[in-house]
Amino acid sequence: DAGVIQSPRHEVTEMGQEVTLRCKPISGHNSLFWYRQTMMRGLELLIYFNNNVPIDDSGMPEDRFSAKMPNASFSTLKIQPSEPRDSAVYFCASSPPDLEQFFGPGTRLTVL
Amino acid sequence: AQSVAQPEDQVNVAEGNPLTVKCTYSVSGNPYLFWYVQYPNRGLQFLLKYITGDNLVKGSYGFEAEFNKSQTSFHLKKPSALVSDSALYFCAVRDMFSGGYNKLIFGAGTRLAVHP
Repeated sequence: DAGVIQSPRHEVTEMGQEVTLRCKPISGHNSLFWYRQTMMRGLELLIYFNNNVPIDDSGMPEDRFSAKMPNASFSTLKIQPSEPRDSAVYFCASSPPDLEQFFGPGTRLTVL
Repeated sequence: AQSVAQPEDQVNVAEGNPLTVKCTYSVSGNPYLFWYVQYPNRGLQFLLKYITGDNLVKGSYGFEAEFNKSQTSFHLKKPSALVSDSALYFCAVRDMFSGGYNKLIFGAGTRLAVHP
């Protein structure tokens, strides 16, 4: 089992550019979660999906952020346009119906 | 409101000594409780969970946690700390109002430092 896969692992971009983060959940897991982690704000839940349907996006900070899950094996988190304050580590996690969430290794985003 | 509190930002312990990382929660009904560990530059790793049954739950790497309903606590413990246990530890509780989805409410995290 490869676990949750995230790409890229590191992303450095300039302010104003579009950033797309990718996640492949563990096969058979029906829930997918996107988190952001910073020193200042800790771990924040941005959005989560169940059976590919967005359930709660109240954690998405602004309209510049969007997420999709076109199928059970792929999700994206997009930031357009990016800003320096978006610099953080972004985690994707998936879970099966019996509760634990399994986290990916994260994408470290730096916006210059 | 549902919440998880980890009252200590950092816990320092000498190698070989027992360690405790504290967690208290506030939820409606019977809680589903979790502990996760995060090593530097890594994602969170599941350690253990309490759903029902025995109040003492055993998990990975020799960790255990004790569920105490009267004190609404779920403290993480290990009898003998290792330097390699140094990491960031998160307590979490399932959001009971998330409609059955596995949404978790995380604490702020406690940094454990084990000194040789």
